[in-house]
Amino acid sequence: EVQLLESGGALVQPGGSLRLSCEASGFTFSSSSMTWVRQSPGKGLEWVAEINTSGYITYYADSVTGRFRVSRDNAKSMLYLQMDSLTVGDTAVYYCATHGRRGVVFIGNDYWGQGTVVTVSS
Amino acid sequence: DIQLTQSPSFLSASVGDRVTITCRASQGISNYLAWYQQKPGRAPTLLIYSASTLQSAVPSRFSGSGSGTQFTLTINSLQPEDVATYYCQQVNVHPLTFGQGTRLEIK
Repeated sequence: EVQLLESGGALVQPGGSLRLSCEASGFTFSSSSMTWVRQSPGKGLEWVAEINTSGYITYYADSVTGRFRVSRDNAKSMLYLQMDSLTVGDTAVYYCATHGRRGVVFIGNDYWGQGTVVTVSS
Repeated sequence: DIQLTQSPSFLSASVGDRVTITCRASQGISNYLAWYQQKPGRAPTLLIYSASTLQSAVPSRFSGSGSGTQFTLTINSLQPEDVATYYCQQVNVHPLTFGQGTRLEIK
């Protein structure tokens, strides 16, 4: 059974930093591109970042480029999101998700964690 | 960036109704579109990928269609457990983007 368990969410002051983690199990982590998606309170889903299987290729939403960094440790089946220069607008539930494939076609996020809450407030 | 516009934003329908949600892309994305269901307090789940392929274990009353810039999600014979917010997502080009969501309620 695929499981994704996020951790690291906390209350942090504006301008602060936080590192989120996502522990993966039940599938071959090193073969799956991974994604972070967030959802601000009462709002819709926002794609945040993606990392390929090796970790050498990353993509970011315009809203977090230069402040957030996604990384992975395939040996530990762990995904990370380093978040710096946090603002009130970064307050959200952060989900990690697999970026599924059917053959060579990426299909979207087929497995999701339950999320971790990040609150940015003074 | 590719913008996705869903309509309507809110939908109220009766059990047994046929429901249609539309997602329009600001530029062509072929069939690289996914649909998700998010129930209150839960993580989203993938319903449909490649615009029209049903994810495993998803009830057959859900279907998707479209290509290019216009896509639809249809629920045939609406059930009480379908109360949720539905999102489309383009997976054609980075940054990937979601529609703003359609909240579905039962009358």
